Amino acid sequence: EAQVTQNPRYLITVTGKKLTVTCSQNMNHEYMSWYRQDPGLGLRQIYYSMNVEVTDKGDVPEGYKVSRKEKRNFPLILESPSPNQTSLYFCASSLSGQRAYEQYFGPGTRLTVT
Amino acid sequence: AQSVTQLGSHVSVSEGALVLLRCNYSSSVPPYLFWYVQYPNQGLQLLLKYTTGATLVKGINGFEAEFKKSETSFHLTKPSAHMSDAAEYFCAVRGVEGGKLIFGQGTELSVKP
Repeated sequence: EAQVTQNPRYLITVTGKKLTVTCSQNMNHEYMSWYRQDPGLGLRQIYYSMNVEVTDKGDVPEGYKVSRKEKRNFPLILESPSPNQTSLYFCASSLSGQRAYEQYFGPGTRLTVT
Repeated sequence: AQSVTQLGSHVSVSEGALVLLRCNYSSSVPPYLFWYVQYPNQGLQLLLKYTTGATLVKGINGFEAEFKKSETSFHLTKPSAHMSDAAEYFCAVRGVEGGKLIFGQGTELSVKP
């Protein structure tokens, strides 16, 4: 089954404790992206990757890191989480070119930072 | 600059009634427009898209949307609401950078029996 998986689905952590949210897709997609969803703000892009070893900042990259060492994986790293990073996070993937906008989303990771 | 405005953060309709969710956009490039749906505790799913060609586009589950350039709108409609349509709906426009989507704030649709 074609899908984007994220782990963990739920995470409660404390300020400053490094964490990684994993994202994996099995559709051989070139494009991958991370979004955060906050009430009244819709989804905002954090980082994206056009292909392996190619990443770039989205609209709200502060406090986050990403890497793309393999085509299927695109982990999101929070080196020192803060309470304002409490949010619902989505990973998405798609083909490249014109199809890059037809994105497949993972189920989401709800992060709470206390 | 790219932006999307969805009018109404909450819309409530009765089962069988018309669904109309409003979306207006701003785009500095020819717009590609999308509607995504998010069911409770799930990720977003593509409902329909407009890129070029026919301005009335049909999507899954009986939804359709019409691109109106003169009004910079891309409203989502469905003739008859079902209980299963209750979800949050997001309108999006493509960004200038490759692959980027700019989302609206979302509209939560409730369907009353």
